[in-house]
Amino acid sequence: DIQMTQSPSSVSASVGDTVTITCRPSQDIDSWLAWYQQKPGKAPSLLIYTASNLQSGVPSRFSGSQSGTDFTLTISSLQPEDFATYYCQQAKSFPLTFGGGTKVEIK
Amino acid sequence: QVQLVESGGGLVKPGESLSLSCAASGFTFSAYYMSWFRQAPGKGLEWISYISDTAHIVHYADSVKGRFTISRDNAQKLLSLHMNSLRADDTAVYYCAKEIPSISFFGSWGPGTLVTVSS
Repeated sequence: DIQMTQSPSSVSASVGDTVTITCRPSQDIDSWLAWYQQKPGKAPSLLIYTASNLQSGVPSRFSGSQSGTDFTLTISSLQPEDFATYYCQQAKSFPLTFGGGTKVEIK
Repeated sequence: QVQLVESGGGLVKPGESLSLSCAASGFTFSAYYMSWFRQAPGKGLEWISYISDTAHIVHYADSVKGRFTISRDNAQKLLSLHMNSLRADDTAVYYCAKEIPSISFFGSWGPGTLVTVSS
């Protein structure tokens, strides 16, 4: 199984800040990575797929990138509605696996 | 618009069975691969099962293999998950989700249904 190591597990930030979250798979997944946002009591919502493609309707302050085998989600100019938990997910092979999550909290 | 609504959750005892359903609307259900996920209280997301458009391909996580069965009724636009031999660690919110075609990423999710396994 492909293990997804996500960091940090939590981050405190202020409105307007830029937040960066990293995901490192245990083996090469090409660009088969997605990022999801989840708010308390709600289902996850897809933000980014195949590493850097923005899902329709998602604000452009969210971006995804890849450097070698590492993946990054960047949230620029953090907005109040962005305080949530973020997960990466690999789709290179089954079982589909997620990172442990990053909780973005208000500083 | 795409809508997925899970149902069938509830409180069951260890060793019992339960079936979940996911009613789909707003899209051509028969053309999409679907999956079930779950999230234990306070924990992260876990993928548990996957089914192709015509049900010719199915996958399961090791944690549920041999106990859970995924199925679909394209005429009724219904995705199902039959769960046997339930254990306390199956306690979770269960979500169904619709795959983006040809890539195993999920752009639409239901609100989830809570399954609690406790004596």
